[in-house]
Amino acid sequence: DVKVTQSSRYLVKRTGEKVFLECVQDMDHENMFWYRQDPGLGLRLIYFSYDVKMKEKGDIPEGYSVSREKKERFSLILESASTNQTSMYLCASSPPRPWDTQYFGPGTRLTVL
Amino acid sequence: AQTVTQSQPEMSVQEAETVTLSCTYDTSESDYYLFWYKQPPSRQMILVIRQEAYKQQNATENRFSVNFQKAAKSFSLKISDSQLGDAAMYFCAYRSGNTNAGKSTFGDGTTLTVKP
Repeated sequence: DVKVTQSSRYLVKRTGEKVFLECVQDMDHENMFWYRQDPGLGLRLIYFSYDVKMKEKGDIPEGYSVSREKKERFSLILESASTNQTSMYLCASSPPRPWDTQYFGPGTRLTVL
Repeated sequence: AQTVTQSQPEMSVQEAETVTLSCTYDTSESDYYLFWYKQPPSRQMILVIRQEAYKQQNATENRFSVNFQKAAKSFSLKISDSQLGDAAMYFCAYRSGNTNAGKSTFGDGTTLTVKP
């Protein structure tokens, strides 16, 4: 079975802190994704990566950056956390073919105080 | 840009009954794939069913089936013989057939309640 793990299920940070969310997949998938899930807004893509050191902006990249130094790991970075970044963050991975499903991690619920 | 619309924020169904969740999408592409994902409470999102746009036959997976109307750009999910374990948020998703475009567009989700 594909396994996508995220470093924390719950995280509480203060405004202005630098926050790292880590995601690791064990199926050698080329694609990895970071989404933000908010009530009534569905899943919104923040960034995705289709190869090591490659990244593309999604629909809401402002205030976020990403890093992919190894194929299995995709990190989301909040350079200076703000209260409007309080949300559920979902990581996903998939093979590169468009018909392939995405495999999701359990999510990190981030609260910024 | 593609858009995906789920017009039913919440739905409920009696156990053992049938329920249909709606999804419409907008695209100018002819090659694409459509997905339904299920997110149970406090659990990971998983794939329910997938449909290739070039296939006229509707996809089925056990109690789950879709009604794919390409001309109408409609992709509804039918759950037959609903079970308590079907209670979840369901997301419809669109993915381009362009192999360089790995990302998907998701709808806002429909929360399904199953009543015993």
